[in-house]
Amino acid sequence: EDQVTQSPEALRLQEGESSSLNCSYTVSGLRGLFWYRQDPGKGPEFLFTLYSAGEEKEKERLKATLTKKESFLHITAPKPEDSATYLCAVLRGTGNQFYFGTGTSLTVIP
Amino acid sequence: EAQVTQNPRYLITVTGKKLTVTCSQNMNHEYMSWYRQDPGLGLRQIYYSMNVEVTDKGDVPEGYKVSRKEKRNFPLILESPSPNQTSLYFCASLKGTGWANTEAFFGQGTRLTVV
Repeated sequence: EDQVTQSPEALRLQEGESSSLNCSYTVSGLRGLFWYRQDPGKGPEFLFTLYSAGEEKEKERLKATLTKKESFLHITAPKPEDSATYLCAVLRGTGNQFYFGTGTSLTVIP
Repeated sequence: EAQVTQNPRYLITVTGKKLTVTCSQNMNHEYMSWYRQDPGLGLRQIYYSMNVEVTDKGDVPEGYKVSRKEKRNFPLILESPSPNQTSLYFCASLKGTGWANTEAFFGQGTRLTVV
């Protein structure tokens, strides 16, 4: 069964304390893995798409990496404005359906 | 400004009263989809559409209908809403040919309560 699991469910960091969020997946093939940020009461905001193992993408303090079984979202020296829920989703090899994880709620304390 | 617009933002209705949630995008995207978001379950795909007149079921299609008569619009129809359809709904559209350089744009959400 296709599954996307994110960990931890919640993470509290001090401002400047770097860490990583994990997204592990089991799907029939992988055509793409997507990272989003979601603020309370708003729609998800696109961050990255990764397509193949070994691929990396960066945006400001965020860096996403992909292996054959999981993806990591690394947050370097986070700031309070990075507080949000981070979601990952996968598009499997057949069909055009997306599967989302339940997210990691990140809180960055000043 | 590129955007996905959903209406209404908030809706309270009674069991069995048909309703439609509209979704419109101004980016000429081919792929559009609907999700519901529930605590502890995350975002689950209801229906998606690869193009005009092409729609497919997602993970949780029961109790919902969609149509895609125009490229920009993708309404979600609840013919006979029930309380278990109380949820936060999002519409999304995707940019990109095939799946290369794909970006997804989400609407602001519709909070539906069925009593």
